[in-house]
Amino acid sequence: DQQVKQNSPSLSVQEGRISILNCDYTNSMFDYFLWYKKYPAEGPTFLISISSIKDKNEDGRFTVFLNKSAKHLSLHIVPSQPGDSAVYFCAAITNAGKSTFGDGTTLTVKP
Amino acid sequence: NAGVTQTPKFQVLKTGQSMTLQCAQDMNHNSMYWYRQDPGMGLRLIYYSASEGTTDKGEVPNGYNVSRLNKREFSLRLESAAPSQTSVYFCASSEIQGGAGDQPQHFGDGTRLSIL
Repeated sequence: DQQVKQNSPSLSVQEGRISILNCDYTNSMFDYFLWYKKYPAEGPTFLISISSIKDKNEDGRFTVFLNKSAKHLSLHIVPSQPGDSAVYFCAAITNAGKSTFGDGTTLTVKP
Repeated sequence: NAGVTQTPKFQVLKTGQSMTLQCAQDMNHNSMYWYRQDPGMGLRLIYYSASEGTTDKGEVPNGYNVSRLNKREFSLRLESAAPSQTSVYFCASSEIQGGAGDQPQHFGDGTRLSIL
């Protein structure tokens, strides 16, 4: 049973437009949610996180929204840039420190 | 600032051979992790070490062993490699277990392992 799901394997957007990446989870014990970005042949790098007690966190062009009742979070990138093209992983952490990753969404930003 | 360093970057093994993947971090982090990533899939946790001297199984531990040699180093061993273990292996570290909040996990660049 996959506890963290990213249902869209890929997303393509035009430069300057908004990118919205989605993530659904099933475990109510998740305490924190994080987004990581991964370029080919590199390890994932941390992008932004949100606590389960908040519904929004913003960092520059990146905003993460959390809807606890729907067990859904999303990452908004505005405006999207070609350098944002990468694989984005959603991750969830329980209060016991156990981490679970989604399968990733490949974002392509076209110039 | 090296962060998390993994060696080797690439390796080809024959079925039944053994191998140890090395990982070292220079951030004085307490927790370290080993993941594998198969094509089209996310990162699956193999083993983790919440602190020096402790190790625990993750989601997919079968066929692997680990050693937390000291605070800096966490190695992953394949005793008898199988083709199903062909994957990209990532090591990560974090200050707190799980890497939540403002202290996320930091990843190495991976070891690409092929088993024939």
